[in-house]
Amino acid sequence: DAGVTQSPTHLIKTRGQQVTLRCSPKSGHDTVSWYQQALGQGPQFIFQYYEEEERQRGNFPDRFSGHQFPNYSSELNVNALLLGDSALYLCASSQDRIGTDTQYFGPGTRLTVL
Amino acid sequence: ILNVEQSPQSLHVQEGDSTNFTCSFPSSNFYALHWYRWETAKSPEALFVMTLNGDEKKKGRISATLNTKEGYSYLYIKGSQPEDSATYLCAASGSARQLTFGSGTQLTVLP
Repeated sequence: DAGVTQSPTHLIKTRGQQVTLRCSPKSGHDTVSWYQQALGQGPQFIFQYYEEEERQRGNFPDRFSGHQFPNYSSELNVNALLLGDSALYLCASSQDRIGTDTQYFGPGTRLTVL
Repeated sequence: ILNVEQSPQSLHVQEGDSTNFTCSFPSSNFYALHWYRWETAKSPEALFVMTLNGDEKKKGRISATLNTKEGYSYLYIKGSQPEDSATYLCAASGSARQLTFGSGTQLTVLP
């Protein structure tokens, strides 16, 4: 059973560009959450997708958007990249139950904005 | 859940030592407490999810306790081994499903 997978592993972009990160959830999971981890901090919640809809959103600007596909995979899009968007982006999947279900994480995509 | 704090920030112990870390969180609007172990260049690995006051979970040499009334959780590692070296993250969730993470405790076990 493959766990959560993310692509690409690393990405280098310049300011103002747009980026798309991809995530495939663990088999049997229908909920995908995205987190941003800046250096020296814990992961911060960006948003969560369930049934192809954004269900929860953290304190991130509209430049951050996402999508979930019928097969439950998900994309994170970031427009008009800023230097401060450089971070590790983690995807986590879970089954749709309230609060207690374990979220399983992928290895992350390291985004560098120059 | 707005603020989850972990201490210490980093810790060096000798192989065979036992150690523990602390995670504190606001006790209001609490739903669950999650512990993860994160080794460099790997995915965070889920260790425990706890919900009830007084919960205790154990996985091998690692155990955790939860006090929801005072808003803290302890993670214990008995007889630390070099392979236990990792960053240990805790995260709390409220009625919303999002996890709020602490900054982690970086453990180094010296052989």
